[in-house]
Amino acid sequence: SQELEQSPQSLIVQEGKNLTINCTSSKTLYGLYWYKQKYGEGLIFLMMLQKGGEEKSHEKITAKLDEKKQQSSLHITASQPSHAGIYLCGADMMYSGGGADGLTFGKGTHLIIQP
Amino acid sequence: NAGVMQNPRHLVRRRGQEARLRCSPMKGHSHVYWYRQLPEEGLKFMVYLQKENIIDESGMPKERFSAEFPKEGPSILRIQQVVRGDSAAYFCASSPMDEQFFGPGTRLTVL
Repeated sequence: SQELEQSPQSLIVQEGKNLTINCTSSKTLYGLYWYKQKYGEGLIFLMMLQKGGEEKSHEKITAKLDEKKQQSSLHITASQPSHAGIYLCGADMMYSGGGADGLTFGKGTHLIIQP
Repeated sequence: NAGVMQNPRHLVRRRGQEARLRCSPMKGHSHVYWYRQLPEEGLKFMVYLQKENIIDESGMPKERFSAEFPKEGPSILRIQQVVRGDSAAYFCASSPMDEQFFGPGTRLTVL
């Protein structure tokens, strides 16, 4: 079974609308990362969350990590065509105390923005 | 500060040949990670290295794959005797401590 579940798998949103992408695990997460990938390109780092209840924002994107550190959401306000792409959540699922370990990734959410 | 550099961006090999993928981390970053992205499987962790040390290779296939991060120079992911199933995008990430920043990837095609 997938250790990190992302939903929805794909999302079509009208420009200007808000949207939310979720990332869920049955295990405690020691670091939660959000990335954006454009088709055929590399991953762009968006945000990293580590503490339960933490919330970070950058421009129109807000990410939250729940208190139990098992679920994160990425919220985009007033979506624009530039937001289109694949959003990936990645998680550090091991506590090693010495820096980030290899990340486990969800399968991604394909976001399409309709004009 | 340049981002994570990977080369080549595209690599074509015939079955049985060797593939060498290079990754230059961001300046000041001492942690390097390699990931593989297959169309149906998503992004999978392969190996985590620090200078001259392999920290975690739990995601590396047992045969034909090796990685190094020497004291000087880029990190190298080496695939010997490539097979068609090795065709994928290979990404490198570097980190100063916690945040991981990804390179543009190398797209390997095995004919």
